[in-house]
Amino acid sequence: KQEVTQIPAALSVPEGENLVLNCSFTDSAIYNLQWFRQDPGKGLTSLLLIQSSQREQTSGRLNASLDKSSGRSTLYIAASQPGDSATYLCAVDVNSKLTFGKGITLSVRP
Amino acid sequence: DAGVIQSPRHEVTEMGQEVTLRCKPISGHNSLFWYRQTMMRGLELLIYFNNNVPIDDSGMPEDRFSAKMPNASFSTLKIQPSEPRDSAVYFCASSLAQIAGAGSTQYFGPGTRLTVL
Repeated sequence: KQEVTQIPAALSVPEGENLVLNCSFTDSAIYNLQWFRQDPGKGLTSLLLIQSSQREQTSGRLNASLDKSSGRSTLYIAASQPGDSATYLCAVDVNSKLTFGKGITLSVRP
Repeated sequence: DAGVIQSPRHEVTEMGQEVTLRCKPISGHNSLFWYRQTMMRGLELLIYFNNNVPIDDSGMPEDRFSAKMPNASFSTLKIQPSEPRDSAVYFCASSLAQIAGAGSTQYFGPGTRLTVL
């Protein structure tokens, strides 16, 4: 059974820091990996999708990498801002079925 | 596009009552997903449809839960009878994946917060 782990569960950083959020998964037979953002009381917003054949994807200040063989992905956020405060979830896709990690709640202090 | 639309946004009901949650996917999307989110278990896939056909319902917790997709623009998730342990946020999501098993970005609705007393 696929398991997705995100550690730590919470992170607090000062504004302007570059930071890395980690995600690990147990079964490397994935179709893709997706990173989502969830604001309190809201739904999920897709940030980046990395196909299993890709190594990384970039969108603005966000860069996500994927190492399928080791079962790891990272989300890099450059020059963090208070508006980046949210919960970040990674999910692995196997046959359209997403398995989610519990998420990392990020707080960026002004 | 209005995105994925869910109703109601909040539902409070008493144990034993029937609950129906509704979802309108993004127009043109071929796949629809129902998820449940709790503090203890996180986000879990309950069921997904492709071209209105249920493909995998292995995440549906028990027979009290049922889901339908009568057409490409509407789906329901029904709980009958409801129990306090069903209290959670239920999300609907849709994607462009044209065939079952084809991964594609999933777009989530705002969710329905269900409280069963």
